[in-house]
Amino acid sequence: DIQMTQSPSSLSASVGDRVTITCRSSQTINGYLNWYQQQPGKAPQLLIYGTSHLQNGVPSRFSASGSGTDFTLTINSLQPEDLATYYCQQSYSTPPAFGQGTRVEIK
Amino acid sequence: EVQLVESGGGLVQPGGSLRLSCATSGFTFSIYAMTWVRQAPGKGLEWVSTISGSGSSTYHADSVKGRFTISRDSSKNTVFLQMNSLRDEDTAVYFCTKLGCSSTGCKYTSRGNWFDPWGQGALVTVSS
Repeated sequence: DIQMTQSPSSLSASVGDRVTITCRSSQTINGYLNWYQQQPGKAPQLLIYGTSHLQNGVPSRFSASGSGTDFTLTINSLQPEDLATYYCQQSYSTPPAFGQGTRVEIK
Repeated sequence: EVQLVESGGGLVQPGGSLRLSCATSGFTFSIYAMTWVRQAPGKGLEWVSTISGSGSSTYHADSVKGRFTISRDSSKNTVFLQMNSLRDEDTAVYFCTKLGCSSTGCKYTSRGNWFDPWGQGALVTVSS
């Protein structure tokens, strides 16, 4: 099974900062990488699919990239509503696997 | 608008059983595979089970295989998760989610799919 590892586990940043989260897969996943946002007390929401495609309605300050085994999620100009835990997920092979999550806090 | 609403969560003793339901609306139910993902308190997301659009194929994580059964009722547009022989470590919020269709297809085994949207979750607590 493919393992997903995110870093950092948590971070604290100020409103307006640029934030980058990294996700690494245990083997190449051919760009089949999704990102989810889970705000406190809520269900996860799809942010990005296929490495870099923004889901409808997701603000343009979110972007993502990557290839092979290394992927990144970037939040440009962090906003208070971005307080959440972010998860990556590989959809290259079954079973689907999630990273352990990165908690983003606002200073 | 696609909507997923879970129900059936609660407190159950170890070794007991519980059946979760996920009522859906806003999409052609028979086309899409449906999935249960769980989240233990303070922990990350764990894939549990997926059922194909037709209901003919089911998939379960090793951690629940032989104890949990996923099923669906197309007449009610509802997905179920029957959980038997429950253990303390099954305590979690269980989310129902729809498997999106990628360019490679709509099956659980299709590459490049995703989970969207998600229901609000149902809390299952296994404790004596």
